[in-house]
Amino acid sequence: DAKTTQPPSMDCAEGRAANLPCNHSTISGNEYVYWYRQIHSQGPQYIIHGLKNNETNEMASLIITEDRKSSTLILPHATLRDTAVYYCIVRKNTGNQFYFGTGTSLTVIP
Amino acid sequence: GAVVSQHPSWVICKSGTSVKIECRSLDFQATTMFWYRQFPKQSLMLMATSNEGSKATYEQGVEKDKFLINHASLTLSTLTVTSAHPEDSSFYICSARDRGAGGELFFGEGSRLTVL
Repeated sequence: DAKTTQPPSMDCAEGRAANLPCNHSTISGNEYVYWYRQIHSQGPQYIIHGLKNNETNEMASLIITEDRKSSTLILPHATLRDTAVYYCIVRKNTGNQFYFGTGTSLTVIP
Repeated sequence: GAVVSQHPSWVICKSGTSVKIECRSLDFQATTMFWYRQFPKQSLMLMATSNEGSKATYEQGVEKDKFLINHASLTLSTLTVTSAHPEDSSFYICSARDRGAGGELFFGEGSRLTVL
């Protein structure tokens, strides 16, 4: 599975949009981009995933560039409860294992 | 989303004893479950893939005789840390994929093991 690169940490003001970038320049055509987050001392929580089209659900939006080499997770109105480590993972949808990188620690500031 | 439950959520044991952690998929069937370990301020490290009815597949560097995995049914996998030592103290997290769903994994709440 392709490797991903994320900034180690980011801050965001409460109520503003949080834009978390992920670089996956070696992604192949059949690999999906998944986003998870982990709040301290809990198991990871699924957020969203996509292949090449932009995706939106009740939690977030996922914007994937046309060449698919990078993506951005958008939390439209960040709250204090969104403070967590966010992981971007690239994986074949039919594949099994998820390998986690180092993620981005997002701190939402009041 | 689908629910994965782990038990116990935390456990303290003496060095040399064995500890069993259970992972259950509550509202779906999982032919495959995964076990991760996470040390403080680090990311999740995949330990092994647990397949229902067959032997688990371990990641490189993970001792299969120390971390025994059993996946006896489509809703239950267990991880037994044998002869635990203080360096085995960690946060253990299981996950499962709903075989009817879109590929995402669902994670348990995690089990914190402290070996004295």
